[in-house]
Amino acid sequence: EAGVTQFPSHSVIEKGQTVTLRCDPISGHDNLYWYRRVMGKEIKFLLHFVKESKQDESGMPNNRFLAERTGGTYSTLKVQPAELEDSGVYFCASSRFRGNTEAFFGQGTRLTVV
Amino acid sequence: AQSVSQHNHHVILSEAASLELGCNYSYGGTVNLFWYVQYPGQHLQLLLKYFSGDPLVKGIKGFEAEFIKSKFSFNLRKPSVQWSDTAEYFCAVNAPVRGSYIPTFGRGTSLIVHP
Repeated sequence: EAGVTQFPSHSVIEKGQTVTLRCDPISGHDNLYWYRRVMGKEIKFLLHFVKESKQDESGMPNNRFLAERTGGTYSTLKVQPAELEDSGVYFCASSRFRGNTEAFFGQGTRLTVV
Repeated sequence: AQSVSQHNHHVILSEAASLELGCNYSYGGTVNLFWYVQYPGQHLQLLLKYFSGDPLVKGIKGFEAEFIKSKFSFNLRKPSVQWSDTAEYFCAVNAPVRGSYIPTFGRGTSLIVHP
């Protein structure tokens, strides 16, 4: 079974540009989560999809961030326009059931905004 | 809202030393608890988990953790660390938030083991 995959693994962009991160969850996992870790700080929750629906987006920093999950499969997280403080590692995770289960993580996308 | 505190942000040990990493959470109801590990250049992976039953849980690579409900703690232990245990360790709690379970993480502990 393939794990959670994220693309790209690294991205360096200039302030003001747009970046789109992609996450492919494990097949059959309804739950998909996005997290961000700024250097040295906690892994912070951004949002949660159940299938194609946004269940909770309370962690999204502001309206420059837009997440979608097409047809309940892969998800994208777009940052437009990017700011310096958006730099960090963006993790995606998926889990099978709506209840309390283990989340499986992707390798993360390291975003650097210069 | 639930939160997770990890008390040790950076730990440096020599091989064969014993390890204990502290984790406390704040949530009054039923929780499920996890320790994740991220080895250099790799993704986060599950080390061990507690759902119910025996509060002393054993994970991979000789790690164990003890859930103490009265102390809201889930400390990670290993009797004798190895150089290959060098990694970042994250404690996490699953608690219901607005009808869904959202894993909430601590800040992480960077462990360096000297050979």
